[in-house]
Amino acid sequence: DQQVKQNSPSLSVQEGRISILNCDYTNSMFDYFLWYKKYPAEGPTFLISISSIKDKNEDGRFTVFLNKSAKHLSLHIVPSQPGDSAVYFCAASSWGSSNTGKLIFGQGTTLQVKP
Amino acid sequence: EAGVTQFPSHSVIEKGQTVTLRCDPISGHDNLYWYRRVMGKEIKFLLHFVKESKQDESGMPNNRFLAERTGGTYSTLKVQPAELEDSGVYFCASSLTAEQYFGPGTRLTVT
Repeated sequence: DQQVKQNSPSLSVQEGRISILNCDYTNSMFDYFLWYKKYPAEGPTFLISISSIKDKNEDGRFTVFLNKSAKHLSLHIVPSQPGDSAVYFCAASSWGSSNTGKLIFGQGTTLQVKP
Repeated sequence: EAGVTQFPSHSVIEKGQTVTLRCDPISGHDNLYWYRRVMGKEIKFLLHFVKESKQDESGMPNNRFLAERTGGTYSTLKVQPAELEDSGVYFCASSLTAEQYFGPGTRLTVT
């Protein structure tokens, strides 16, 4: 039962353009969503998060959009840089409504930014 | 500020042997989590400590896995006896709030 899905295994964009990574979830109890970036042989690095009471959160080149009615979130990277090439994981938790903040991860999307 | 550290970075053991993984969280983080990624699949939750107490063990695969966090600081995850399907990368994460910060992981190979 895959509660968090990233349906695109890979994405390739040109340097300077926008990268859009998508994520869908099924559990309406999720109230906090996070994006992580992962390089090979390293642990996931926290990028940006959003609470379910918001629909947008921005941090520099990274913006996360949340559409609760569609149970969909997306990460926008503008402008994309070659150093952004990595695997991006979407994760969800029920931080505010449960006694555990365990993260449920998607399968990941490999982003390649071409110079 | 030091991040989450894990030891060892890589462990190769034979089936039936015992392995103990260690995680040192970010200082002051009461929440400590263990996750596992098997064969390039999604990262899966194993368990959650709040200080020294196990808050959620729902992700532990079976009773061959034992996690401890004595004194509420570092944590260990012991696998005894190890089986082939235990191979994967074990991540530890710590947090004060909802954002979790991950360590580099321990790659476990059971042969």
